[in-house]
Amino acid sequence: EIVLTQSPGTLSLSPGERATLSCRASQSVDSSSLAWYQQKTGQAPRLLIYGASSRATGIPDRFSGSGSGTDFTLTISRLEPEDFAVYYCQQYGSSPITFGQGTRLEIK
Amino acid sequence: QVQLVESGGGVVQPGGSLRLSCAASGFTFSSSGMHWVRQAPGKGLEWVAFIRYDGSNKYYIDSVKGRFTISRDNSKNTLYLQMSSLRAEDTAVYYCAKDHARGSYSDYWGQGTLVTVSS
Repeated sequence: EIVLTQSPGTLSLSPGERATLSCRASQSVDSSSLAWYQQKTGQAPRLLIYGASSRATGIPDRFSGSGSGTDFTLTISRLEPEDFAVYYCQQYGSSPITFGQGTRLEIK
Repeated sequence: QVQLVESGGGVVQPGGSLRLSCAASGFTFSSSGMHWVRQAPGKGLEWVAFIRYDGSNKYYIDSVKGRFTISRDNSKNTLYLQMSSLRAEDTAVYYCAKDHARGSYSDYWGQGTLVTVSS
């Protein structure tokens, strides 16, 4: 099983700032089969990024993903108030599908 | 638009059973694989099970193998999760999610249904 470790656990930033979230895999993720999801309190997760760097339909271009192998990054270029939420990475290249433990992005 | 609506959650005693349903609309259900993902209270996401579009293959996380069964009825556009021998650690919100392709990421999610295992 591939274990995904996200850092930091909590990130405190202000609107307008740049956010950088990390996801590290215990072994190489096949074919960059890495996705990122956003979850707000009381809501279902929403797909942001798939294939490590492709934005899902309707996702603003301030969200970008990068990385390969074992190291992946989600970057939010300029934080909007609605971006404060919990973010999860997910690998789907190996069975079982696994998620990271999440990074909470909070308003400073 | 894609809609996934879960139902069937509730409170059940340890060792009991429950069947969750997920009604799908807005896409060709019979052409899409489907996932169940759960989230324990205050915790992260955990993938539970996947079923191919035609029900021919099913996959489970180790902790539910032999206790949970994923199934689907393409004539009713409905996904199911039959849960038995339930344990306290199965307490969670259960989400159904549409698979993008071949057991990959989930592009649409339902709002979830809460299962509480408690005496």
